[in-house]
Amino acid sequence: GEDVEQSLFLSVREGDSSVINCTYTDSSSTYLYWYKQEPGAGLQLLTYIFSNMDMKQDQRLTVLLNKKDKHLSLRIADTQTGDSAIYFCAESMNNQGGKLIFGQGTELSVKP
Amino acid sequence: ETGVTQSPTHLIKTRGQQVTLRCSSQSGHNTVSWYQQALGQGPQFIFQYYREEENGRGNFPPRFSGLQFPNYSSELNVNALELDDSALYLCASSPSDRVYTEAFFGQGTRLTVV
Repeated sequence: GEDVEQSLFLSVREGDSSVINCTYTDSSSTYLYWYKQEPGAGLQLLTYIFSNMDMKQDQRLTVLLNKKDKHLSLRIADTQTGDSAIYFCAESMNNQGGKLIFGQGTELSVKP
Repeated sequence: ETGVTQSPTHLIKTRGQQVTLRCSSQSGHNTVSWYQQALGQGPQFIFQYYREEENGRGNFPPRFSGLQFPNYSSELNVNALELDDSALYLCASSPSDRVYTEAFFGQGTRLTVV
């Protein structure tokens, strides 16, 4: 079956790098996504990676994809207190756009 | 900037009642997907509408139904509400139903069933 798993909590100090990990099961997923959710808010698309890429960098964000192990990670450089939120990894359901399978979310806490 | 808007933002219903939630998609988007996010969980896919037709459904019972209108706005209807239906309901619009699309989410409707 389709499943996306993430660790539930991560705590870092301001200025450090954060690495949030995710494993997924559907090897046919063409796109994998990272979303951010702040308290009481909807989901904000942070970045996504195409399955034929190993890495994608976007300012402070670096996404690494290991297709063999079905492992996805999001690295946030120079983590700020404003980065405190829940981060969701998602894959496309049956490789169809707009139908996403989300992980449970990783709560990132950034301490000053 | 996302142009997806949902209404209402919050509502409280009694078990057994019916509820309608609304979503206006971003301009130019013809695909709307609905998700249920229970407290402490990731969003779960309910169904998707593409050009006014249902285009895929998750593991939700038939009392969850929807509509999409010619302007691509959408409604989610839930009949015979149960306590477990209490959740944040998220709507996402996409430029199309094609695989490389990005889904832009609204702020959600917080439904509480008492």
